[in-house]
Amino acid sequence: AQKVTQAQTEISVVEKEDVTLDCVYETRDTTYYLFWYKQPPSGELVFLIRRNSFDEQNEISGRYSWNFQKSTSSFNFTITASQVVDSAVYFCALSPDQTGANNLFFGTGTRLTVIP
Amino acid sequence: NAGVTQTPKFRILKIGQSMTLQCAQDMNHNYMYWYRQDPGMGLKLIYYSVGAGITDKGEVPNGYNVSRSTTEDFPLRLELAAPSQTSVYFCASRRTGIVYGYTFGSGTRLTVV
Repeated sequence: AQKVTQAQTEISVVEKEDVTLDCVYETRDTTYYLFWYKQPPSGELVFLIRRNSFDEQNEISGRYSWNFQKSTSSFNFTITASQVVDSAVYFCALSPDQTGANNLFFGTGTRLTVIP
Repeated sequence: NAGVTQTPKFRILKIGQSMTLQCAQDMNHNYMYWYRQDPGMGLKLIYYSVGAGITDKGEVPNGYNVSRSTTEDFPLRLELAAPSQTSVYFCASRRTGIVYGYTFGSGTRLTVV
């Protein structure tokens, strides 16, 4: 069974603060992919990152960074120097690499509000 | 290159009515998916298709039907709409091989009253 847990339902930070969004996953598959998506108030899903289970290197993209740790089944997302435009709902998702649907299993999302 | 196109963007249905949500992709993707997103929740899989003529149920298929007669189109049919089907519906597609990622449509917001 696949499961993604985002324990933080809502987070509020003041602009320019750093914030980390937590993601814990469960899977029995040895090969899988992890994703983060952003859903701004307009409602569309914006792809942020994809990471496969064999690549535990952390990644940095501008103000965004991701920390993947297989030992704790976590794939956390940090925004440095947050901005008002970062206000959105952020989803972590898991996809097993196997025959069949290979669909995305989503967490319930974390709503981030950045206060100016 | 339009990606994944969903129509309509908004719709209000009365209980018991039927409708079809349209989804079309122009990327020649084999895999297509329908998800629903309830308020404050993540997306859940309704149906998926691995190619033309092949469909299968996801996690929450009750009250829905799909068909995949072409690679491009994957319509979702709601029969006898119920208030529990009030949700935002997303269509997605991808090539064979997850490494290529998923492409999502912009969503259809459906309200059943």
